[in-house]
Amino acid sequence: DAGVIQSPRHEVTEMGQEVTLRCKPISGHDYLFWYRQTMMRGLELLIYFNNNVPIDDSGMPEDRFSAKMPNASFSTLKIQPSEPRDSAVYFCASSQRGWNNEQFFGPGTRLTVL
Amino acid sequence: GESVGLHLPTLSVQEGDNSIINCAYSNSASDYFIWYKQESGKGPQFIIDIRSNMDKRQGQRVTVLLNKTVKHLSLQIAATQPGDSAVYFCAENRKGDYKLSFGAGTTVTVRA
Repeated sequence: DAGVIQSPRHEVTEMGQEVTLRCKPISGHDYLFWYRQTMMRGLELLIYFNNNVPIDDSGMPEDRFSAKMPNASFSTLKIQPSEPRDSAVYFCASSQRGWNNEQFFGPGTRLTVL
Repeated sequence: GESVGLHLPTLSVQEGDNSIINCAYSNSASDYFIWYKQESGKGPQFIIDIRSNMDKRQGQRVTVLLNKTVKHLSLQIAATQPGDSAVYFCAENRKGDYKLSFGAGTTVTVRA
């Protein structure tokens, strides 16, 4: 298995632009998580899905952020409009319901908003 | 509020020595704990996990200890190697929840 796949790996954009981050979870995993990592705040959970349905989006910072999971193999995190304070590394992770809750992380997308 | 936190932000270790990384948690309802390793430019990678009905679990060169009385978790790395240099995170999961709450992370640097 290729693991969790994220694209793009790096994104540089200007303030006010729309940014879309993409994630392909591990096949067979029914949970998908979006995290944001910064030096100041560490690793923060933004939202997670179970069977393509959003379960908890309490970590989404504001209405500028939205996430979708149209099918079991694809999810997007969109920021519109983007702001410099959104600059961070965004990780996607997936897991499978079982005795443990180990989450498998993707390589992340480093977002820089100028 | 309730959170998972780390005692020390950095740890410098001589190659070949054992490393101990500590973590405190405050939610007594937590029943699953996991350690992740994050190397520069990569996503967190699973190291080892432990359930609350256990006190100790061993893996390859790593041991996790859980003290539920004082809500303390530790990760021991035996014979630390240069490849062990990374940021280590503890995370906890509350019963019935599939979210993981992560600590701040400890940066481990291995000296040659």
